[in-house]
Amino acid sequence: AQTVTQSQPEMSVQEAETVTLSCTYDTSESDYYLFWYKQPPSRQMILVIRQEAYKQQNATENRFSVNFQKAAKSFSLKISDSQLGDAAMYFCAYRSARSYTGANSKLTFGKGITLSVRP
Amino acid sequence: NAGVTQTPKFRILKIGQSMTLQCAQDMNHNYMYWYRQDPGMGLKLIYYSVGAGITDKGEVPNGYNVSRSTTEDFPLRLELAAPSQTSVYFCASSLHTSGKVHEQYFGPGTRLTVT
Repeated sequence: AQTVTQSQPEMSVQEAETVTLSCTYDTSESDYYLFWYKQPPSRQMILVIRQEAYKQQNATENRFSVNFQKAAKSFSLKISDSQLGDAAMYFCAYRSARSYTGANSKLTFGKGITLSVRP
Repeated sequence: NAGVTQTPKFRILKIGQSMTLQCAQDMNHNYMYWYRQDPGMGLKLIYYSVGAGITDKGEVPNGYNVSRSTTEDFPLRLELAAPSQTSVYFCASSLHTSGKVHEQYFGPGTRLTVT
């Protein structure tokens, strides 16, 4: 079974600065997907960025980028130019690419990191 | 498109009561999921469905039942509510086609308290 670990329960960043959120995972599979989700106080789960394991290039979405280290099973999220609206809980999640059927399609989540942004 | 909708947004149940959490999506997605999120934790899969008439258990199915009579709707039934079922419940859906991964879209969640 796959596991996702987010060992930092909380982080804080000054507005306009850069912060990196860490995530490690464990899997025996070679092909999979990794995601970062944002959950603001509204509780809505918002997809921030995704990475396909077979791609060596790190994914980037505007101010959000990842550092994907497949051998180390590490998947960190970097937020540049932090804004007050970035304050939220961030979840790292794993999904198998082995099959698109059944339970393999589910997301396995870490416990999340609460990010606060100081004005 | 409304996306994924869930009702109610909040509910308080007494121990032993039953209720149904409603979930609907208007994106013609074939896969649907129910997750629960306990305080300070990530989401865990309760049940999922790969299409109308087909459902299966996830990681934490005990105390719940589901049905999927239409593509759009995927209700979650709680029988004999227990305090351990106090949680936030999320419904999600995604489109699965051969050779392509599509993202899961989440509903706004239902906060359930059992006392």
